This record gives sequence, structure tokens and C-alpha cells, in this order.
Amino acid sequence: AQTVTQSQPEMSVQEAETVTLSCTYDTSESDYYLFWYKQPPSRQMILVIRQEAYKQQNATENRFSVNFQKAAKSFSLKISDSQLGDAAMYFCAYSRETSGSRLTFGEGTQLTVNP
Amino acid sequence: EAGVAQSPRYKIIEKRQSVAFWCNPISGHATLYWYQQILGQGPKLLIQFQNNGVVDDSQLPKDRFSAERLKGVDSTLKIQPAKLEDSAVYLCASSLGDFWGHYNEQFFGPGTRLTVL
Repeated sequence: AQTVTQSQPEMSVQEAETVTLSCTYDTSESDYYLFWYKQPPSRQMILVIRQEAYKQQNATENRFSVNFQKAAKSFSLKISDSQLGDAAMYFCAYSRETSGSRLTFGEGTQLTVNP
Repeated sequence: EAGVAQSPRYKIIEKRQSVAFWCNPISGHATLYWYQQILGQGPKLLIQFQNNGVVDDSQLPKDRFSAERLKGVDSTLKIQPAKLEDSAVYLCASSLGDFWGHYNEQFFGPGTRLTVL
């Protein structure tokens, strides 16, 4: 079975600075997807960024980028130029390569952005 | 494009009572998911539908939980009877489900927060 682990229950960052959230996972599959989701207090789960395991290049989306280390089964999220609106719970998630597969989530990291 | 709709947003019930949640996925999305998110944890899949057929219900407590997706569109999730440990947010998500080799993003609804007293 696949597992996703987030070892940082809480993180904080000053506005305009950079923060990195950590995630490790376990799988026997060679092809899969990894995700970071953001969940603000409204509870709406929002996709931040996606990484295909077969791609060596790390995904980037504006201020958000990942460091994907396939051999180490590590998948961290870097948020640059942090903004107050980035404050939320962040979940790392895994999905098998087959489209339509379930998402397996980590426990989450609560990010606080200080003005 | 309208998103995934869920109702109610909040529900408070006594243990041993019954409760039902409703989900309307994005138009045209064939795959529908129900996730349970207990406070302080990540969401966990309860059941997945492809059109009106069940794809995965391995983590659904079938002695008390049931779900259906009539006509492959709306879905209802029912708990009967509820236990204290069922207190959680119930998230519905949908995706295209066309399986043509590219990833189908899951879009989530706002969830229903259930409190069992």
C-alpha cells in the first residue's frame, strides 16, 4: 500500500520570504503522480502543483516549485515570496499512474504567514 | 464553469441517528469520489464511482455507510446509525474520467462538516 508522510505539522514564514514543506512517500510503483493541495479554512481543496514521476524536471507554478527526488522518495514544496493568502493547510498526495485512481494524502502541514 | 456542489455545509446529529449528504459533480464528469477527513488528518477515500458503477469501496464501513449515484450524476452518502467517530468533513470530488492517457484532475467541493454528539 502507498503511504504519504508529512513530518512538519506546523510551519511559519515571514511575508515575502521563502518556505519549504517536506513530504516523503512509499510506493512500489514506478509510474505515479504527486501533488500538493492547499486547504484554507473554507475547506475547499485546491490543487497547487502536480509532478509526474516519469518527468525528471521539477514542476513549477509561479511562486510554487517542487524538489522531486524519486530515488529518495521525497517531494518537497517551495513557496517563494510568501503572501498572507498562502496561509492554509497543505497536503501532499499520491496517485497511481492510472487516471482516475484515488488520492492518498499525508497528514498535512499548517502554514502560517506572519506580516 | 460551476464547481462541485455539496449540501448541507454543516450537520449536527445525535449518535445512532441517520444522516445523508448530497453531491452534484461538475457537468460531464464521469468519476465521483467521496473522501472522509477527520480533524487533523488528510482526507481518506471512502468510495469511488465511474458513472453509476462502484470502482473502489474498499475503505467504506459497509455496516453503516452506503452511497449511490443514480443515473451517473448526483450522489448521496448515508450514515445509519452514526457513531461519535464519524465526526468529520465529508468531501466530494469529481474528474472527467475519460482515461485517454492523460491525468484527470480531481476537483473538490466545499465539504460537509458532520458533528455527532
